[in-house]
Amino acid sequence: NAGVTQTPKFRILKIGQSMTLQCTQDMNHNYMYWYRQDPGMGLKLIYYSVGAGITDKGEVPNGYNVSRSTTEDFPLRLELAAPSQTSVYFCASRSGHLNYGYTFGSGTRLTVV
Amino acid sequence: GQQLNQSPQSMFIQEGEDVSMNCTSSSIFNTWLWYKQDPGEGPVLLIALYKAGELTSNGRLTAQFGITRKDSFLNISASIPSDVGIYFCAGQPLSGSARQLTFGSGTQLTVLP
Repeated sequence: NAGVTQTPKFRILKIGQSMTLQCTQDMNHNYMYWYRQDPGMGLKLIYYSVGAGITDKGEVPNGYNVSRSTTEDFPLRLELAAPSQTSVYFCASRSGHLNYGYTFGSGTRLTVV
Repeated sequence: GQQLNQSPQSMFIQEGEDVSMNCTSSSIFNTWLWYKQDPGEGPVLLIALYKAGELTSNGRLTAQFGITRKDSFLNISASIPSDVGIYFCAGQPLSGSARQLTFGSGTQLTVLP
């Protein structure tokens, strides 16, 4: 019963490098989300997807890209890492039914130096 | 976008004491959720509220959906050391196809022995 799995758990990037944060869920959830969490700032929505092949911008999408080729996977791409992207990133999913609770992954802590 | 004001930002309490925290919004929400985040983990759903005025309990936790639909509170009774963590409120607005949640900035709870 894996739920939402994120990899890696930690990563240090140099400015200008790129990387992909992986997110996989095994609950057949339609909706998936990427959030970033900065200290004392709560969770900010980066991108979301309502199903395979459909993605849309959230509150803070600049500097990020996503794709949703399958129901299970929702990777987040950073193309040119900047110090402002130092944060903890959480992937979440929920079903399409009347269930408003998101299931979160355990997070990826990213540091850009 | 919608703003959620969560208070207090942090609390230090003695084991056995009761705790109360709340969230207010300038907009109407049709769902209120309360999450807890342990260090190094993603948020976990504690209580979900779907109707104005609804009062729901989960063990020592009690949460209410405000009558105006613009606020919610969470009470924890007889706190124990494992209650330590960050508590987030989250609300879902009336509109929005992806059922996006807006999160409060969190309440950091410390329980002193």
